Amino acid sequence: DIQMTQSPSSLSASVGDRVTITCRTSQSIRNYLNWYQQKPGKAPRLLIFGAGSLQSGVPSRFSASGSGTEFTLSISSLQPEDFGTYYCQQSYTIPLFGPGTKVDIK
Amino acid sequence: EVQVVESGGGLIQPGGSLRLSCTTSGFTVTGNHMTWVRQAPGKGLEYVSVLYGRGNPYYADSVKGRFTFFRDSANNTLYLQMNSLRADDSAVYYCARVRGADYYYGVDVWGQGTTVTVSS
Repeated sequence: DIQMTQSPSSLSASVGDRVTITCRTSQSIRNYLNWYQQKPGKAPRLLIFGAGSLQSGVPSRFSASGSGTEFTLSISSLQPEDFGTYYCQQSYTIPLFGPGTKVDIK
Repeated sequence: EVQVVESGGGLIQPGGSLRLSCTTSGFTVTGNHMTWVRQAPGKGLEYVSVLYGRGNPYYADSVKGRFTFFRDSANNTLYLQMNSLRADDSAVYYCARVRGADYYYGVDVWGQGTTVTVSS
């Protein structure tokens, strides 16, 4: 089975900061990697699919890259509404989610 | 409007059964792949099952043999029949649409979730 890790597990950043989250898989998943944002008590929201494609309606400050076993999600200028937990999801095999990265605003 | 609405959650004793419903609007369940994802209290997201447009379901190992995902195409409604429930099945259950041809494109339409609590 493919194992997934995310780092950091949590972070606190200021409005305007650039934030980067990393997702790693135990074996290559090519570019079958999606990113979601979830706020407390709400359903997840798709941000990125196919490792680097921005979902419609998602602000352009979100970007992502990577292939194989290492992937990154970046927020170029953190906004107050970007707090929440970010999950990566591999879709190469069984669609497993990473453990999540909690983002707080300082 | 494209929408997914779950219902049917509640408190159930261990070993019991529960059927969750997922009503969709704005798209057809036969033309899309649909999935259930759950989230235990304070925990991360866990894939439960997918029902492909052709009607064939697949399950996570943790629910295989106990859960059944099926649909009523005429009413654009999906169901998750959950049997032999255990305490570790307690979670918010989300019904959602797989975008495009497969999971590569992500899961783009999510319901608000329905809570299942398995406890005596």
